[in-house]
Amino acid sequence: IAGITQAPTSQILAAGRRMTLRCTQDMRHNAMYWYRQDLGLGLRLIHYSNTAGTTGKGEVPDGYSVSRANTDDFPLTLASAVPSQTSVYFCASSDGTQGIQYFGAGTRLSVL
Amino acid sequence: AQSVTQLDSHVSVSEGTPVLLRCNYSSSYSPSLFWYVQHPNKGLQLLLKYTSAATLVKGINGFEAEFKKSETSFHLTKPSAHMSDAAEYFCVVSDRDFIFGTGTRLQVFP
Repeated sequence: IAGITQAPTSQILAAGRRMTLRCTQDMRHNAMYWYRQDLGLGLRLIHYSNTAGTTGKGEVPDGYSVSRANTDDFPLTLASAVPSQTSVYFCASSDGTQGIQYFGAGTRLSVL
Repeated sequence: AQSVTQLDSHVSVSEGTPVLLRCNYSSSYSPSLFWYVQHPNKGLQLLLKYTSAATLVKGINGFEAEFKKSETSFHLTKPSAHMSDAAEYFCVVSDRDFIFGTGTRLQVFP
């Protein structure tokens, strides 16, 4: 079982470019999440989806968008990247019954 | 409103000595509490979870945590550190949303 797969593992991006971070889970979890991790700040929620077809904003949603067309996929898009979006991005999922979130290995993004 | 405070940003111990990583929380409800571990360049892995069944929770790799409501604490301990325990540890409080602490980096010296 792969769990959660994120792609790419790392990316260097020019400011102003559009970028989509991919996240796929094979656990059939209803809920999925995107976090960013920055030194000294822990993980902060960007967007979430409680079930396919619905999304919601987290703590730091500005500059990011998500979609949830099906249960397995939850892509995160940066429409026009800025240097402050340099971070490590983690996707997570949860079945909602035990309250546990399961995390992917992350995408390290540098915006120059 | 929920919040979580990890009291130490760095903890250094010698191999074979006890580990204590401190976490205080604030929640309006009876929260779920978690500890996650992140090894370098890896994702987060669940160490243990508290959900009111027992105040002392045992996790993987010999770690355990004690829920103390009167102190609003959920400290993580291990009797004897191993070199492989060197990692970043996150305390998380959840009554609906996951709120992460800022992390504690554990260094283990030989």
